[in-house]
Amino acid sequence: DSGVTQTPKHLITATGQRVTLRCSPRSGDLSVYWYQQSLDQGLQFLIQYYNGEERAKGNILERFSAQQFPDLHSELNLSSLELGDSALYFCASSVILGTSYNEQFFGPGTRLTVL
Amino acid sequence: TQLLEQSPQFLSIQEGENLTVYCNSSSVFSSLQWYRQEPGEGPVLLVTVVTGGEVKKLKRLTFQFGDARKDSSLHITAAQPGDTGLYLCAGRSNYGGSQGNLIFGKGTKLSVKP
Repeated sequence: DSGVTQTPKHLITATGQRVTLRCSPRSGDLSVYWYQQSLDQGLQFLIQYYNGEERAKGNILERFSAQQFPDLHSELNLSSLELGDSALYFCASSVILGTSYNEQFFGPGTRLTVL
Repeated sequence: TQLLEQSPQFLSIQEGENLTVYCNSSSVFSSLQWYRQEPGEGPVLLVTVVTGGEVKKLKRLTFQFGDARKDSSLHITAAQPGDTGLYLCAGRSNYGGSQGNLIFGKGTKLSVKP
């Protein structure tokens, strides 16, 4: 158990819909990262938040957005869903921005299926 | 763009065999991490290597960082079914808006048969 929690575990929805994925980081971790993992693309970095502020963006679509709340939990919002958005979505957390190693601890993921 | 190439993509071996998987890049990384991911779960950090030429051991797993910090290898001795999983390497990005974030390879999927 990494200490990072994600809900829901599974999500099945239809094209065009909007969903929200939730993540709670490990106690004491200030940075939260979101990743998308699909079979053909591997683990793709989407976005990072540090202490409530956006710090870095990766391959995140404009239809996707995220935020980190004062209690440090984070939500990833996916809208106008397409079949190709079906994937595993992982949240990870780390202690301090700028550490040499940026060791990240991953949650169990949310499996999103868009029908 | 910094990329990490992992090889082989798939590896199926018998229990007790030894194996090596590789993680290569044309870019220099300040540090490199190895993760193992089991089906339906998130990646779990195994080790971080930071110095060129560094070797770290974790029971039957030996990790090496290349002298030039562009590549790494993972060697497993006497593999066991419990070693089955997806092995991912990740390097810390040095460039642009993603500076400091991790770049992941696509992984090596290892299957160890009893």
